[in-house]
Amino acid sequence: NAGVTQTPKFQVLKTGQSMTLQCAQDMNHEYMSWYRQDPGMGLRLIHYSVGAGITDQGEVPNGYNVSRSTTEDFPLRLLSAAPSQTSVYFCASSYSIRGTSPLHFGNGTRLTVT
Amino acid sequence: AQKVTQAQTEISVVEKEDVTLDCVYETRDTTYYLFWYKQPPSGELVFLIRRNSFDEQNEISGRYSWNFQKSTSSFNFTITASQVVDSAVYFCALSQGANTGNQFYFGTGTSLTVIP
Repeated sequence: NAGVTQTPKFQVLKTGQSMTLQCAQDMNHEYMSWYRQDPGMGLRLIHYSVGAGITDQGEVPNGYNVSRSTTEDFPLRLLSAAPSQTSVYFCASSYSIRGTSPLHFGNGTRLTVT
Repeated sequence: AQKVTQAQTEISVVEKEDVTLDCVYETRDTTYYLFWYKQPPSGELVFLIRRNSFDEQNEISGRYSWNFQKSTSSFNFTITASQVVDSAVYFCALSQGANTGNQFYFGTGTSLTVIP
């Protein structure tokens, strides 16, 4: 049982480049989300989805796009990378769409934008 | 508005000491859920415990215990006889338990260092 799989683990981008962070889960969870972790700021929600075809913005959505074409996959796209997007990104999924169940996290992607 | 405060940014203890990590939350909802996660130096986030707002019983799991007090809006985490493997960043989180579009609100974390 792989759980939540994120790729890549590390990425370096130049300002203005675009890329997609991949996230897949094999637990048939309806709820999926993306967080960024920055020093001293905890985990901040970027986007989330409560099922295939349904996405919504979180606390810090600017500069990021998401889509949810299948239950399993929830990619995060950086349209034009900026140094302010240097961060560690976590994908998470949950059995419940109502926040009653814990989040299961991927191992994270460390992104550096130069 | 929902908010989670972990006022202790960093804590250092000597091995075998007990340590309590504080978590204070704010919510207007009567139904909500509280969580603790551990992030060891390797970076992954590990779920430790969930508590709902209707269950104020304290919980003990080995050397870990949790004290939930609605009267003070706190959900504190105590590690008894700390070990070096307990060194990690610990996050407290709150969920509204909303019908749709739930969002988890995380504290800023407490970095615990256990000195051998």
